[in-house]
Amino acid sequence: DIQMTQSPSSLSASVGDRVTITCRASQGISNSLAWYQQKPGKAPKLLLYAASRLESGVPSRFSGSGSGTDYTLTISSLQPEDFATYYCQQYYSTPPITFGQGTRLEIK
Amino acid sequence: EVQLVESGGGLVQPGRSLRLSCTASGFTFGDYAMSWFRQAPGKGLEWVGFIRSKAYGGTTEYAASVKGRFTISRDDSKSIAYLQMNSLKTEDTAVYYCTRDGRGGSSWYFDYWGQGTLVTVSS
Repeated sequence: DIQMTQSPSSLSASVGDRVTITCRASQGISNSLAWYQQKPGKAPKLLLYAASRLESGVPSRFSGSGSGTDYTLTISSLQPEDFATYYCQQYYSTPPITFGQGTRLEIK
Repeated sequence: EVQLVESGGGLVQPGRSLRLSCTASGFTFGDYAMSWFRQAPGKGLEWVGFIRSKAYGGTTEYAASVKGRFTISRDDSKSIAYLQMNSLKTEDTAVYYCTRDGRGGSSWYFDYWGQGTLVTVSS
């Protein structure tokens, strides 16, 4: 199974900051990576797929990049509604689907 | 508008069974693979299982942690996906989410999620 490691596990930032979250796969996943946002008590929401493709309706301040084993999610200018937990998910080698452990983004 | 609504959760004793339902609307259910995920209290996301659309054979896949105990099925005429959970363990306690495959076939990323239903396994 492919293991996904996110960093950092938690992050404090302010409105307007630029934030980057990293996801590393235990082997190359050829951009088969999705990012989800989850707010407390809510279901996850798909933000990006294929590492860098923005899901319809997702603000353009969210972007993704990477290749091979290393991928990043960047929020260019944090908004109050962006404080949440973010998960990466690989779908290169399935089953199983595997997720990173999550990054909790908190208000500084 | 795409909607996925889970139901059937609740409190159940260890060793017993429970069946969850996911009622879909707003899209042609039969054209899409569906998947179930779960999230234990305060923990991350865990994939449970997947069912392909009939066009892709309607076959299923399961996580090792539930294989042999859980079964996913679908009724395309009713737009419902099911998760039959047998021999439940305390570690199966979680919110269970139903999801839709992002491209219909088998993209293995998921663009719509239900609100979740809580399953608590306890004596």
